[in-house]
Amino acid sequence: DTGVSQNPRHKITKRGQNVTFRCDPISEHNRLYWYRQTLGQGPEFLTYFQNEAQLEKSRLLSDRFSAERPKGSFSTLEIQRTEQGDSAMYLCASSLGLQGEKPQHFGDGTRLSIL
Amino acid sequence: GENVEQHPSTLSVQEGDSAVIKCTYSDSASNYFPWYKQELGKGPQLIIDIRSNVGEKKDQRIAVTLNKTAKHFSLHITETQPEDSAVYFCAAPPNAGGTSYGKLTFGQGTILTVHP
Repeated sequence: DTGVSQNPRHKITKRGQNVTFRCDPISEHNRLYWYRQTLGQGPEFLTYFQNEAQLEKSRLLSDRFSAERPKGSFSTLEIQRTEQGDSAMYLCASSLGLQGEKPQHFGDGTRLSIL
Repeated sequence: GENVEQHPSTLSVQEGDSAVIKCTYSDSASNYFPWYKQELGKGPQLIIDIRSNVGEKKDQRIAVTLNKTAKHFSLHITETQPEDSAVYFCAAPPNAGGTSYGKLTFGQGTILTVHP
C-alpha cells in the first residue's frame, strides 16, 4: 500500500521561471487537494478536485497558478513567473468519498525555493 | 469562512507526563475535526479525528474531546514519549453545504517537546 507521492521533493529555481509539481494520490482516492505551507504556519488550502473536476479554488491561487487532474488520477500544480513569495512547501492530500468530510492523507510535499 | 485558533504554540513536558492542546473554531456548522502530527521534513500525518455526533474518541494514548456548544476541541496525549515530539495541528472544515468538502482550515500549530 503506497501513500500520497509527490515529486520532486525539492525544487530550487530563479525568480521568473515556471515550475511544475506532480502529485500521485492514494490509489482509488477520488478527492485530491493542494495546500501551501510556509515556515511556522499550518497548511493553507489552495484547490480541490473530485475526480477530474476542480470544484474549488482559494483566493490564494492567483492567475499564475494552475492545477490539473486530467484523468482523475495524478495531479499537477504549475506556477508561472515565480516570485520570491512563492517559496513554500506545497502539499498534496487525497481522500475517498462522495458525500461528507473524509480523512485526508498528505504526501511529504515539494519544497520550493525561489532564488 | 472558518477561523481556527490553537493553543499553546509551544509545549514542553517530561517523558511520561500528559500533554493537552486546545483549538477553537468559528463555524458552528463544522462537523469534522482532525488532528495531524508533522515531523521535520515530512507532511502532516493524521493521528485521530472526531465527528460532531460524539463528544470523545480515544486511540491508545491519544484522545480527542469535542465541545460543540463552546466550539472547541482538544487533543490529549498520555504517557508521552520522546517520539511524540513534533508539531501538532488541529483543523476544521467550513460547512458551506453541498460541495465544499475538504477545505480544511488549520490551526497555527503546537510544537511539542518531550524531554527524556
